[in-house]
Amino acid sequence: GEDVEQSLFLSVREGDSSVINCTYTDSSSTYLYWYKQEPGAGLQLLTYIFSNMDMKQDQRLTVLLNKKDKHLSLRIADTQTGDSAIYFCAEWRPLSGGSYIPTFGRGTSLIVHP
Amino acid sequence: DAGVTQSPTHLIKTRGQQVTLRCSPKSGHDTVSWYQQALGQGPQFIFQYYEEEERQRGNFPDRFSGHQFPNYSSELNVNALLLGDSALYLCASSGTVNNSPLHFGNGTRLTVT
Repeated sequence: GEDVEQSLFLSVREGDSSVINCTYTDSSSTYLYWYKQEPGAGLQLLTYIFSNMDMKQDQRLTVLLNKKDKHLSLRIADTQTGDSAIYFCAEWRPLSGGSYIPTFGRGTSLIVHP
Repeated sequence: DAGVTQSPTHLIKTRGQQVTLRCSPKSGHDTVSWYQQALGQGPQFIFQYYEEEERQRGNFPDRFSGHQFPNYSSELNVNALLLGDSALYLCASSGTVNNSPLHFGNGTRLTVT
């Protein structure tokens, strides 16, 4: 997972926007995903973006993709205390034969304080 | 519609022992992947099963093996446990398309003493 880089911590005030950044390494990755993990739980799929898109919006979530710089970001509007969790960026790396291996970053711990 | 279910939720084993973890995929999914998540790390891909065969494998030793059954459920077996095998083991299921999203279970917390 070290090839997908994320900052480890982000602290925001409730009601502000949060922006979590990610850089990946394989320019041929076709899908990039964001997952959320709450304490003691598995990973919950939040959203994903196909590599031929620049932006995707889904309610409070906005994903931006800069394929030239291999940079992905997740913006959470109007951040709530319930958004406190670890957020993982993942790239689907293609292998020979047409299969893929998902590769995850180390995760960004988002702390939302009142 | 049941999601991905894993059992047991917690397990404590002694170094050198063997362990079997179980996973039932989300309804409609036929592909199962296993991940190891050490504390403070992202999930590391162990292997993926499709049509009862191992389709892809990550950088894990042969002590890690698996199986998929005709009903798509899966087992992860780890032999000769090491202290470093202590982690959260996550099962994820997906549809047949190679890059379809993964749906994760809540994991099995394995502690090796």
